Amino acid sequence: DQQVKQNSPSLSVQEGRISILNCDYTNSMFDYFLWYKKYPAEGPTFLISISSIKDKNEDGRFTVFLNKSAKHLSLHIVPSQPGDSAVYFCAAGILTGGGNKLTFGTGTQLKVEL
Amino acid sequence: ETGVTQSPTHLIKTRGQQVTLRCSSQSGHNTVSWYQQALGQGPQFIFQYYREEENGRGNFPPRFSGLQFPNYSSELNVNALELDDSALYLCASSLVSRETQYFGPGTRLLVL
Repeated sequence: DQQVKQNSPSLSVQEGRISILNCDYTNSMFDYFLWYKKYPAEGPTFLISISSIKDKNEDGRFTVFLNKSAKHLSLHIVPSQPGDSAVYFCAAGILTGGGNKLTFGTGTQLKVEL
Repeated sequence: ETGVTQSPTHLIKTRGQQVTLRCSSQSGHNTVSWYQQALGQGPQFIFQYYREEENGRGNFPPRFSGLQFPNYSSELNVNALELDDSALYLCASSLVSRETQYFGPGTRLLVL
């Protein structure tokens, strides 16, 4: 059962334009969401997160939007740069006293072209 | 502030063997989690350790076990290796009850 889904395996965008990466989830118990970026031969790098009580969080060029009723979140990158080319993972978690396990999507390969 | 480190970077084992992977948490972090990432997939949660005890486990068999030490470093042990255990193993550290986990570079395990 894939509780976090990234339905687009790849996305190609021109430099300077907006990149929009999408993620859907099925578990309404998730109370926070994160985006990670991964380059080959490296571990995932944390980008930005959002609590389920918010609908938007912004950090520089990166903005995450959360639509709880649709169980959908998206990551906007504006403007896109060639260095943004990587695999982007959406992850979701439930904060409890017993820890914070993350459930990941399968990733979207973003390619930013010159 | 040092980040999460893992060793070794690559490892080749044969089916039936045992393997130990190591992780040093980011400075100040008291919780460590291990994930398995198969090719083309997202990381899958194996387990988490807090205060040297297992604090949550994913859908992995008992031959996957771990340890956390007083200095918050950690080991992942896998017994009776199977071909399907070939994957990238990621360690992540965090503060308990905080959202963000910070990942190491991973250990790529190949089982032949």
